[in-house]
Amino acid sequence: KAGVTQTPRYLIKTRGQQVTLSCSPISGHRSVSWYQQTPGQGLQFLFEYFSETQRNKGNFPGRFSGRQFSNSRSEMNVSTLELGDSALYLCASSLTGAAGEKLFFGSGTQLSVL
Amino acid sequence: GESVGLHLPTLSVQEGDNSIINCAYSNSASDYFIWYKQESGKGPQFIIDIRSNMDKRQGQRVTVLLNKTVKHLSLQIAATQPGDSAVYFCAENIRGYGQNFVFGPGTRLSVLP
Repeated sequence: KAGVTQTPRYLIKTRGQQVTLSCSPISGHRSVSWYQQTPGQGLQFLFEYFSETQRNKGNFPGRFSGRQFSNSRSEMNVSTLELGDSALYLCASSLTGAAGEKLFFGSGTQLSVL
Repeated sequence: GESVGLHLPTLSVQEGDNSIINCAYSNSASDYFIWYKQESGKGPQFIIDIRSNMDKRQGQRVTVLLNKTVKHLSLQIAATQPGDSAVYFCAENIRGYGQNFVFGPGTRLSVLP
């Protein structure tokens, strides 16, 4: 069974641009979550999608948004990029997103903002 | 892709010895916990989980202990191998908060030959 797949693996953008990251969950998983990982803040929850609806949201500005498609694939968008948005963006999936469910991560997209 | 903060705790162990990685979690309402291993350039890899109605859970070469009284979690790795070198994170989840896991800062495990 294929794991969580994220594309692209690396991205370089400049301040003010926007970026879209893609995630394909494990087959059969319907919940997709996004996390940001930085050396200073560690791993932080961005948001979670289930059945094409955002179900939970972390403490990030509105520049960070996402969506989920009917096949459970998800995209994350960051608009008006700032230097501080440089990070590893991780996608994770679980069966239904219920509390107490195992969460599996992809390898991430490394975003560098210049 | 590792979380280092200002100073990432490091544990160095001799190959073949047992390792114990500790984690203090933040919320007494947390009822589900996962240990992850993250190698350089990779995403976190699921190792083992435990629910708050348990004190101990064993996997292959790994054991997780949960002490709810002091909000402490530990991961024990038996017969540590070079391939165990990585950063280890504990993550806590509160019922009703879906997939919003709160992660610890991580501990870097270095296995010495």
